[in-house]
Amino acid sequence: AQRVTQPEKLLSVFKGAPVELKCNYSYSGSPELFWYVQYSRQRLQLLLRHISRESIKGFTADLNKGETSFHLKKPFAQEEDSAMYYCALTRRGNTGKLIFGQGTTLQVKP
Amino acid sequence: GAGVSQTPSNKVTEKGKYVELRCDPISGHTALYWYRQSLGQGPEFLIYFQGTGAADDSGLPNDRFFAVRPEGSVSTLKIQRTERGDSAVYLCASSLNNRNLGQPTANTEAFFGQGTRLTVV
Repeated sequence: AQRVTQPEKLLSVFKGAPVELKCNYSYSGSPELFWYVQYSRQRLQLLLRHISRESIKGFTADLNKGETSFHLKKPFAQEEDSAMYYCALTRRGNTGKLIFGQGTTLQVKP
Repeated sequence: GAGVSQTPSNKVTEKGKYVELRCDPISGHTALYWYRQSLGQGPEFLIYFQGTGAADDSGLPNDRFFAVRPEGSVSTLKIQRTERGDSAVYLCASSLNNRNLGQPTANTEAFFGQGTRLTVV
């Protein structure tokens, strides 16, 4: 079965602390993994994708095929990072049909 | 120009009624997707169009749900005999080209609309 699991519904950290949002997946084949973010009252938007191997707003995510994980990390959280984060996957070559996790709310306290 | 536009932003309807939700994709985007997001859940795929045709409708929950995209641009999601369980946020997304093998990643990013919040009472 194709599934994305985000075990934490809420992650609360203080400003300046490291952040790790967990994502595990199950998929038979070659998936492409993404992190989407939704800030308050804004639309869902792409944060980063594993094939780009880039850092966006200080966030990075490494695909670990052995552990089937794609955890999102940031060394020093900022208050403006507070948002809902969704991990998602698709079959490589079909980036619109996404399978999403349930989402994790990141709350960064001052 | 503007991003993906969805109308209405909110819709309240009575159980058993028919509703239509509209999506205006980004101009030139050939791929269009509908998702449904229930409270506390991530978006769930419903259907996707490549041009005018529905390339994959495997996510539609039952035959009360139907979507069209007659001219390859605007799409309408239609729900017949609405039920309280249909209450959710319906999201639309579009991308430049779904067939992205060998193409730059920017061509395949899906851009989402703000969604239509449907409440069935």
